[in-house]
Amino acid sequence: KAGVTQTPRYLIKTRGQQVTLSCSPISGHRSVSWYQQTPGQGLQFLFEYFSETQRNKGNFPGRFSGRQFSNSRSEMNVSTLELGDSALYLCASSSGGDMGGYTFGSGTRLTVV
Amino acid sequence: GESVGLHLPTLSVQEGDNSIINCAYSNSASDYFIWYKQESGKGPQFIIDIRSNMDKRQGQRVTVLLNKTVKHLSLQIAATQPGDSAVYFCASDSGSNYKLTFGKGTLLTVNP
Repeated sequence: KAGVTQTPRYLIKTRGQQVTLSCSPISGHRSVSWYQQTPGQGLQFLFEYFSETQRNKGNFPGRFSGRQFSNSRSEMNVSTLELGDSALYLCASSSGGDMGGYTFGSGTRLTVV
Repeated sequence: GESVGLHLPTLSVQEGDNSIINCAYSNSASDYFIWYKQESGKGPQFIIDIRSNMDKRQGQRVTVLLNKTVKHLSLQIAATQPGDSAVYFCASDSGSNYKLTFGKGTLLTVNP
C-alpha cells in the first residue's frame, strides 16, 4: 500500500512569507502528526490531529498551525517565516490508537532565505 | 519534563561486527519505545518497538533491550552491514499524549 506522502519535497521561501505543507497519510490512518527536524534541536513534535481534531500541540509559536481534513489529509502552515524555520518537516500517520504504528513520510525540506 | 537522550552521538564499527546503540529516557510514564533508522534524504524508518511490559524483543538482526529500573534502552544490530549506516533514533510515547519524544540520534558508520 502507498506510504505517507508529503508535498512538496523542497521549498525555498523568503523571510516574512508564509508556507503551507501537505501530508497524505496511509489509507485508513486517521492520525497525522507533524515534526520539525533540525541539526541543532533534532526531531521536535509540532502537533497531532485525529479525525480533524488537534489532540496535542508542541512548544512552537502561534505562527505554526495545522489542520486536518475529513479525508485525513493534513496541512501545516507557517506564517511570517524566519530563518530559523529552515528545517525538514516530517509527517507521520498512524491508526490513532494509544500507542504505536507511526509511519513517517520523506519530509519537506524548507529553506528560508 | 520528558526527554530522551543518547549516550553517544557517533559509532563506527567494522562490517560483520555487532553494534550497540544506547538511549536513556527520563519520563517514567513512557510506556512504548521505538527505534528508527534515518538515511540521508529520507524520513525515519521503523526498525523495532517494545512496550514497557517487556524487557527484550528481537527482530531480524536487531534486538531491543529495555531496563525500566534505570530508564535505559538499547538497540543491538547483529552482523552489521554497510547498508546499516544511518542515523538511529530512539523515541518514546506515553500513550495518552499522542506524540513521540525523540533522542538526538546516533550516527552509525559501518566500515567495509
